[in-house]
Amino acid sequence: EDQVTQSPEALRLQEGESSSLNCSYTVSGLRGLFWYRQDPGKGPEFLFTLYSAGEEKEKERLKATLTKKESFLHITAPKPEDSATYLCAVRDTYSSASKIIFGSGTRLSIRP
Amino acid sequence: SAVISQKPSRDICQRGTSLTIQCQVDSQVTMMFWYRQQPGQSLTLIATANQGSEATYESGFVIDKFPISRPNLTFSTLTVSNMSPEDSSIYLCSVEESAGELFFGEGSRLTVL
Repeated sequence: EDQVTQSPEALRLQEGESSSLNCSYTVSGLRGLFWYRQDPGKGPEFLFTLYSAGEEKEKERLKATLTKKESFLHITAPKPEDSATYLCAVRDTYSSASKIIFGSGTRLSIRP
Repeated sequence: SAVISQKPSRDICQRGTSLTIQCQVDSQVTMMFWYRQQPGQSLTLIATANQGSEATYESGFVIDKFPISRPNLTFSTLTVSNMSPEDSSIYLCSVEESAGELFFGEGSRLTVL
């Protein structure tokens, strides 16, 4: 059974303090691993898709990496506006979009 | 990527009433997905809406409680019927993009008193 586990549940950082969020997954075959950012009361905003182990994607202060068992979202020198919940999701090779599995998210708070 | 608009963005409703949420996409899509996100929780798929056929509901969700319409390839509605406080959630419309990821609308935040 496909599973996605995100850690930590919550992370509080000082502005400029770099860190990483973890997404561990289990799928029979990976079609894609997705990262989203979600602000309170809003819909998830798509950030990255990763397809295979060793792949990396970057956007501003965010960098996503992928291995065969987990993905990391690295945040370099974060700013208060990076505060949000970050969601990870996976899609199995043979499944439809309706079978995308979401993790429970990591709530990130950046203090000025 | 598709632009997805949802209405209302938020509403406060009385117990026992029903509310219809609208989702408009700026391009034609085969499938539209409706999700629920309860406070502090992750996303749960309610149903998949296909144009020209009945929606496909996930386990735990039924048509009588969450009727869905899909009159054309750019529009869908989700009704939350006979609401109770447990229905207080963010309801999200989404579509699949070409690379297999989902894009979401801004969400409709419902509070049931």
